[in-house]
Amino acid sequence: EIVLTQSPGTLSLSPGERATLSCRASQSVSSNYLAWYQQKPGQAPRLLIYGASSRATGIPDRFSGSGSGTDFTLTISRLEPEDFAVYYCQQYGSSPPFTFGPGTKVDIK
Amino acid sequence: QVQVQESGPGLVKPSGTLSLTCSVSGGSLSSGNWWSWIRQPPGKGLEWIGRIYLSGSTNYNPSLKSRVTISLDKSKNQFYLNLNSVTAADTAVYYCANSRGYIYTWGQGTLVTVSS
Repeated sequence: EIVLTQSPGTLSLSPGERATLSCRASQSVSSNYLAWYQQKPGQAPRLLIYGASSRATGIPDRFSGSGSGTDFTLTISRLEPEDFAVYYCQQYGSSPPFTFGPGTKVDIK
Repeated sequence: QVQVQESGPGLVKPSGTLSLTCSVSGGSLSSGNWWSWIRQPPGKGLEWIGRIYLSGSTNYNPSLKSRVTISLDKSKNQFYLNLNSVTAADTAVYYCANSRGYIYTWGQGTLVTVSS
């Protein structure tokens, strides 16, 4: 089973700033099958990125994903008020289980 | 666009069986994707439970495999989660979802509490 580690646990930033979130895997993620999700309180997660760098339908271009192998990054170029939330990464490249990271909370500084 | 919606009891007794239904609308189970269950304990992160394909092929999280069964009914356009021998640790919001590995359609989630 691949274990995902996300850092930092909490990121305190102001609107307009750049956010850089890290997701590290315990072993290489096959075919860079790594997804990112955003979750706001009381809501289901929403798919942002799949295949490490492909934006899901309707996701603004301020969200971008990069990385390969064991190290992946989600970047939010300029934080909007609605971007303050918890972000999870998930690998789906190896045999199940398709594990999630513990999450990074982006909150307002 | 396909939507999914969970339903089932919100309270289950310890040692009992948690049974949930996911209803698919705006499309068919026959769409060719995987149908999944994920859960989230209150205040905690996401846990992948398992998935089923139209053929009936399933994959489960090894940590739950001995207790979980996912099934589907094409005629009703529904799929199901059964988790037996539940304890308080199984208290969570349970999500059903449509997936291709990554989860691209989520239900709103349903809270299931295990308590006597």
